Amino acid sequence: AQKVTQAQTEISVVEKEDVTLDCVYETRDTTYYLFWYKQPPSGELVFLIRRNSFDEQNEISGRYSWNFQKSTSSFNFTITASQVVDSAVYFCALSEGYTGTASKLTFGTGTRLQVTL
Amino acid sequence: DADVTQTPRNRITKTGKRIMLECSQTKGHDRMYWYRQDPGLGLRLIYYSFDVKDINKGEISDGYSVSRQAQAKFSLSLESAIPNQTALYFCATSDLRAGITDTQYFGPGTRLTVL
Repeated sequence: AQKVTQAQTEISVVEKEDVTLDCVYETRDTTYYLFWYKQPPSGELVFLIRRNSFDEQNEISGRYSWNFQKSTSSFNFTITASQVVDSAVYFCALSEGYTGTASKLTFGTGTRLQVTL
Repeated sequence: DADVTQTPRNRITKTGKRIMLECSQTKGHDRMYWYRQDPGLGLRLIYYSFDVKDINKGEISDGYSVSRQAQAKFSLSLESAIPNQTALYFCATSDLRAGITDTQYFGPGTRLTVL
């Protein structure tokens, strides 16, 4: 069975600090997909990134970057120069490759990030 | 207008009542999902649907039922609500044409309280 662990329940930083959110996953499949979603205080879930298991290149999008390491089964998310608007709960999720059924996501329990002035 | 809408956004009901949560999408996606979110537990899958004729149970389907009325509409029903069904409910959609594993896009959520 697949599993996603986000060991950091809550993180507090001061604005402009860099912060890394950890995500460790377990799966028996060789083909799988990893995702990050953001849930701001308003409650909606916003898709941030999707990465497949064959692509270990790091991704950078503005102040956001993602580090995927298959050797440690981790898909960590770094926010550089954090801002108050980054305050949210962040979820890491895993979807195994084709199973003949719909693409079911397994979510971690989330990390609450609080950025203060 | 939002691509995925959920109604109602907030609902308070009493134990034993039947309640329906509705989800509509204008994204043209064929796959739809219902999740519930509980504090400290992340999101868990209740039901999912490939298309109008395909409905499958997820991780926690007991106490719930669904109806896929059309490609764009997927409803979740609680036949007899109980307090531990108090949660935030999300509908999501994804596009089969996007590939084997497609990205799920979520609605704004429905906050349900069962007294």
